[in-house]
Amino acid sequence: GQQLNQSPQSMFIQEGEDVSMNCTSSSIFNTWLWYKQEPGEGPVLLIALYKAGELTSNGRLTAQFGITRKDSFLNISASIPSDVGIYFCAGQLGIQGAQKLVFGQGTRLTINP
Amino acid sequence: DSGVTQTPKHLITATGQRVTLRCSPRSGDLSVYWYQQSLDQGLQFLIQYYNGEERAKGNILERFSAQQFPDLHSELNLSSLELGDSALYFCASSVGQGFGQPQHFGDGTRLSIL
Repeated sequence: GQQLNQSPQSMFIQEGEDVSMNCTSSSIFNTWLWYKQEPGEGPVLLIALYKAGELTSNGRLTAQFGITRKDSFLNISASIPSDVGIYFCAGQLGIQGAQKLVFGQGTRLTINP
Repeated sequence: DSGVTQTPKHLITATGQRVTLRCSPRSGDLSVYWYQQSLDQGLQFLIQYYNGEERAKGNILERFSAQQFPDLHSELNLSSLELGDSALYFCASSVGQGFGQPQHFGDGTRLSIL
C-alpha cells in the first residue's frame, strides 16, 4: 500500500534554530497537508499544498509541494518553545469516491531553551 | 478550539465488549472523518461520511462501523473489542467531501481495553 516516509523521526534543537523535515513516497499525491499535534489534543492543520511546486508560508512555517508530487518539506524558522510537538505530513491521492489520506509517522520536535 | 466535539474523552472497557464514540462536526461542515492513532500504527484513516453517506473507506476493520445522522453528527461503533483496539480515536470535519480540504480535528476519545 501507499506509504509516506517522514524524517527525521525526532529532533532535539536549541531555541532559535531553524528546523527542516520532509516526507517522501513512491506514490504521486494530489495534495499535501502538514499538521501539528500537541499532547492531549488532535492534530491542527498548519499548511495545505495543492499544486506541484507550490511554496506556502504560514508565519515562521514554510512548506513546499515537490515538483515530482512525491515529496514535501516543512521548514520552521527561528524556533520557539511553543513549536514543541509532533509534526505530521499527510498526502491525499486517488480520485473522488476512491480517495485516501495517508499520514507520515511524525517528527517529534523538542526544543531546549 | 477546532469546533469539533468528541465524546466521551476517555473510555475503559473489556475485551469482547462494544462501544460507541460520538462526534459533532464544526458548524457548517458536511464531511466527517474517523481516524485511529496508536503507538505502533501511527495515524490511520478509517472512514469518511459526507452529508449522511459513506464516501471513502480506509483501514477500517469489519468489527467497526460508522454512520452519519441527518443532523450531521457521526458515531463510530467498535464491537468485539480486542486489546489491540486500544488507541486514540479522532474525528475530523471539513466543509466539502474532498480529502484535499483542510480537516479540523477534535481532541479525540482515548479507548483503553483491559
